[in-house]
Amino acid sequence: QVQLRESGPGLVKPSETLSLTCTVSGSSVSSGSYYWTWIRQPPGKRLEWLGYVYYSGSTNYNPSLKSRVTMSVDTAKNQFSLKLRSLSAADTAVYYCARVAWELPPRFDYWGQGMLVTVSS
Amino acid sequence: DIQLTQSPSFLSASVGDRVTITCRASQGIDSYLAWYHHKPGKAPKLLIYAASTLQSGVPSRFSGSEFGPEFTLTISSLQPEDFAIYYCQQFSGYPPTFGQGTKVEIK
Repeated sequence: QVQLRESGPGLVKPSETLSLTCTVSGSSVSSGSYYWTWIRQPPGKRLEWLGYVYYSGSTNYNPSLKSRVTMSVDTAKNQFSLKLRSLSAADTAVYYCARVAWELPPRFDYWGQGMLVTVSS
Repeated sequence: DIQLTQSPSFLSASVGDRVTITCRASQGIDSYLAWYHHKPGKAPKLLIYAASTLQSGVPSRFSGSEFGPEFTLTISSLQPEDFAIYYCQQFSGYPPTFGQGTKVEIK
């Protein structure tokens, strides 16, 4: 059974960098069949896709966040990570990690349960 | 970005009811549309992809269809575990985007 779990700080100060990790079980981040992605949902707003990372380390980010976001994969730990810089209150959201089945058509086929990150001093 | 508009945003229904949710795209997305079921605090769950393909393990009471720019998710007989928020999502344009969600509550 594929499971994903987000971990990281629940409270971060403005202007700092958020670092989240997604631990995957039941699937390998080294598989070429999948991308690994981060999605967030600010309170009262829509889900927003942040970007993908592939096992090779290649990435693709949402243009709205491209200058502030970095994603990476750790195949040894079967994890992937998100770093989001220069935080503001607008980055307060529930952050989800998910697997992308890339064989056409693509879809987010497994998700973590999400974790709330609050940006506040 | 491609905008997805769901209707209704809120729906009140009873167990056993037939429920239909609509998602309209701001431009053509072929059939690259998926539907997700989400209970807050739990992991969102993929129900349908490619507009009408049922994800493995999802009950057959869920179905998806498309007609021009409109996509629909139908639950043929609502069950207690189906009371949740439903989202549509497109993978045709870049970046991938989501609808605003439809909350299905117990009448």
